[in-house]
Amino acid sequence: DQQVKQNSPSLSVQEGRISILNCDYTNSMFDYFLWYKKYPAEGPTFLISISSIKDKNEDGRFTVFLNKSAKHLSLHIVPSQPGDSAVYFCAASLGVGSGSRLTFGEGTQLTVNP
Amino acid sequence: NAGVTQTPKFRILKIGQSMTLQCTQDMNHNYMYWYRQDPGMGLKLIYYSVGAGITDKGEVPNGYNVSRSTTEDFPLRLELAAPSQTSVYFCASSPGNEQFFGPGTRLTVL
Repeated sequence: DQQVKQNSPSLSVQEGRISILNCDYTNSMFDYFLWYKKYPAEGPTFLISISSIKDKNEDGRFTVFLNKSAKHLSLHIVPSQPGDSAVYFCAASLGVGSGSRLTFGEGTQLTVNP
Repeated sequence: NAGVTQTPKFRILKIGQSMTLQCTQDMNHNYMYWYRQDPGMGLKLIYYSVGAGITDKGEVPNGYNVSRSTTEDFPLRLELAAPSQTSVYFCASSPGNEQFFGPGTRLTVL
């Protein structure tokens, strides 16, 4: 049972345009969501997170939107840069701040073309 | 701070061999985790620990064992390697919310 799904294995965008990565979840008890970025031969690095009490969180070029009724979150990158090319994972957890286990999606490979 | 370090970076094992994947963090985090990532898949939790002396199974624990004798170290043991354990293994630590990952160990079992 895949509780967190990223239905697009890959996404290609032009430099300067917006990248939108999507993630769906099935467990309505998830209350904290995170996005990680992963370059080849490296571990994932934390990008941005959002608590279920919010519907938007912004950090520079990165914005995460949460739609609890649709059990959907998205990551917007504006403007996209070639250095953003990486695999992006969304993750969800139960219980903020308690070291809770993360459930990961399968990842989306983003390619930003110069 | 070195963050989360993992050794070795690469390893090839024969079926039935044993090995220990090492993981150390210097951030004084209570929570530590072991994941595996298979091609085209997300990260699957193998084992986790909420503090020294306390460990618990994750989603895919079969074929693995862990121990947590100190806050810093969280080794993962493979007792009888099988081809299905060919994967990239990531260790992570957390102060509570975000998890910080090591660079990974690429393991091949032939």
